[in-house]
Amino acid sequence: KNEVEQSPQNLTAQEGEFITINCSYSVGISALHWLQQHPGGGIVSLFMLSSGKKKHGRLIATINIQEKHSSLHITASHPRDSAVYICAVIGGGGADGLTFGKGTHLIIQP
Amino acid sequence: DGGITQSPKYLFRKEGQNVTLSCEQNLNHDAMYWYRQDPGQGLRLIYYSQIVNDFQKGDIAEGYSVSREKKESFPLTVTSAQKNPTAFYLCASSSGPSYGYTFGSGTRLTVV
Repeated sequence: KNEVEQSPQNLTAQEGEFITINCSYSVGISALHWLQQHPGGGIVSLFMLSSGKKKHGRLIATINIQEKHSSLHITASHPRDSAVYICAVIGGGGADGLTFGKGTHLIIQP
Repeated sequence: DGGITQSPKYLFRKEGQNVTLSCEQNLNHDAMYWYRQDPGQGLRLIYYSQIVNDFQKGDIAEGYSVSREKKESFPLTVTSAQKNPTAFYLCASSSGPSYGYTFGSGTRLTVV
């Protein structure tokens, strides 16, 4: 089964900083999801991407299929961005074809 | 708009009681999935169904049961046999891995 590693596990930053969260995986995939989970709240899907880059507002996701790596960037970070960010890869094993990372816990301080 | 509805968002139950979590989708997806999340761990697969009236155990199926009588619905029952039922439960659906997955918002179950 695919091994998915996210880094960092925890990140605390000041409002306005540029944030990068990384996701690496061990086996080739067809696509990858980035998910957001607010404290005590539910899951929101931010992106699905299989190549290149996608942008939505202040969020940018990139993927390099050959290097087995994806990044999620947040520009001009805000306290409301505080959440757990989860990478989920599609392909590379598992009955459901989906393997999740453990998540990156992001705190943006005002 | 199409999507997945999980209800309720928060659920409290007494120990020893069975509880059923709802998952409904109007995306016409064939496949549906249930995952469990514990603190510090990635989401783990409980059960999945790729077609109506058929479902398969995932990695942590013990203490859970499901049914798939309709394409739109995939309810999960947490039975009294589940030793540590307090967790976050997530439902997802897909029309095939190459099309990606759609995720519900989740249900947080607390057993006291």
